[in-house]
Amino acid sequence: NAGVTQTPKFQVLKTGQSMTLQCAQDMNHEYMSWYRQDPGMGLRLIHYSVGAGITDQGEVPNGYNVSRSTTEDFPLRLLSAAPSQTSVYFCASSPGGPVRNQPQHFGDGTRLSIL
Amino acid sequence: GQNIDQPTEMTATEGAIVQINCTYQTSGFNGLFWYQQHAGEAPTFLSYNVLDGLEEKGRFSSFLSRSKGYSYLLLKELQMKDSASYLCAVRDREGGSYIPTFGRGTSLIVHP
Repeated sequence: NAGVTQTPKFQVLKTGQSMTLQCAQDMNHEYMSWYRQDPGMGLRLIHYSVGAGITDQGEVPNGYNVSRSTTEDFPLRLLSAAPSQTSVYFCASSPGGPVRNQPQHFGDGTRLSIL
Repeated sequence: GQNIDQPTEMTATEGAIVQINCTYQTSGFNGLFWYQQHAGEAPTFLSYNVLDGLEEKGRFSSFLSRSKGYSYLLLKELQMKDSASYLCAVRDREGGSYIPTFGRGTSLIVHP
């Protein structure tokens, strides 16, 4: 089982460039979310989705867009990269519905540097 | 939203027992998770508590007191491989998203 797959694993961008971080899961999970992790800050929620066609903002959404056209995929778009967006990004998924006590499954992360 | 607090760093000796505390404030508590994260890796699930009391899983146990807004993770018979960051995450039913909020994590260093 692949679980949650994130691509790319590493990326270096220049300020002002745009890019999309990909996330796909093969567990038919309803809930998907994007976090960023910075030293000393823990995991902070950027955007999340509770099902295809539904997205909402988390704690730190500025500078990022998401869409959820299918259950499997939840891409994160950086519109105009800024050095403050240098971070490690994690995508996570979990079941919805009556099994909401199930934990999140995390991808391996994308390490992003903005110069 | 939630306000989650855990110690930044702890050290312990191989073979010993360590307790990592987590306190939280939330209006609609709906479960607390503990995750382990080794450096450079993704978080992995350790335990889940939604009712008061102790949940035991091998060398790891987790305790919850909802009235006190308090949980702890207990690690017994510490091994060097237990050196990692331990993340407390609280889920709130407010807004209906069921997406947990994470604390800043506790870095545990196990030395011989």
